[in-house]
Amino acid sequence: GAGVSQSPSNKVTEKGKDVELRCDPISGHTALYWYRQSLGQGLEFLIYFQGNSAPDKSGLPSDRFSAERTGGSVSTLTIQRTQQEDSAVYLCASSLGILVGASYNEQFFGPGTRLTVL
Amino acid sequence: GEDVEQSLFLSVREGDSSVINCTYTDSSSTYLYWYKQEPGAGLQLLTYIFSNMDMKQDQRLTVLLNKKDKHLSLRIADTQTGDSAIYFCAEMDSNYQLIWGAGTKLIIKP
Repeated sequence: GAGVSQSPSNKVTEKGKDVELRCDPISGHTALYWYRQSLGQGLEFLIYFQGNSAPDKSGLPSDRFSAERTGGSVSTLTIQRTQQEDSAVYLCASSLGILVGASYNEQFFGPGTRLTVL
Repeated sequence: GEDVEQSLFLSVREGDSSVINCTYTDSSSTYLYWYKQEPGAGLQLLTYIFSNMDMKQDQRLTVLLNKKDKHLSLRIADTQTGDSAIYFCAEMDSNYQLIWGAGTKLIIKP
């Protein structure tokens, strides 16, 4: 398909395990974003990539969270030593770029990965 | 820090107008957005408004922006059952990051 895809769609893990979430952006989109939506709360911005670089990592909740993007395409969000409070839906979005007008800034969202930490 | 606030729920009768309100704190916002999230689906951009505009209309949707009060609203005319969703308000800050509200769940009564 032509949209943003994420895998897995659902992940159940035990507390203390590491998980890796994957995002495939729309082809040609240089900007990629990770968000988290916890139950009953709004979307929380985590990190964005422009190309392969992430200018600002301050949105990551703790040093257990890391993200990388290689080849300007696929991105992975890794959570080490998962905790129950990490349970949430992790959303990925991509956009053409981050500059020059609202059309560039329109973010297309994937369906999300629902993470449950037992 | 920057903040965006919205009511968590709005209930309207089918056929009436829905008005979803949002307030934000960042005075340097460039764009403000309304996203829709239907059950089991990802987020969909509904409409956006540039910060130097005060109104934008798109078919059944009307966006009003009061920059002085930092207040944004989304009006849906002739609300239908298919409009049932969570509506997120977001503002783009000077670092090109989106700051999101918690979402307003729109409930349609027959």
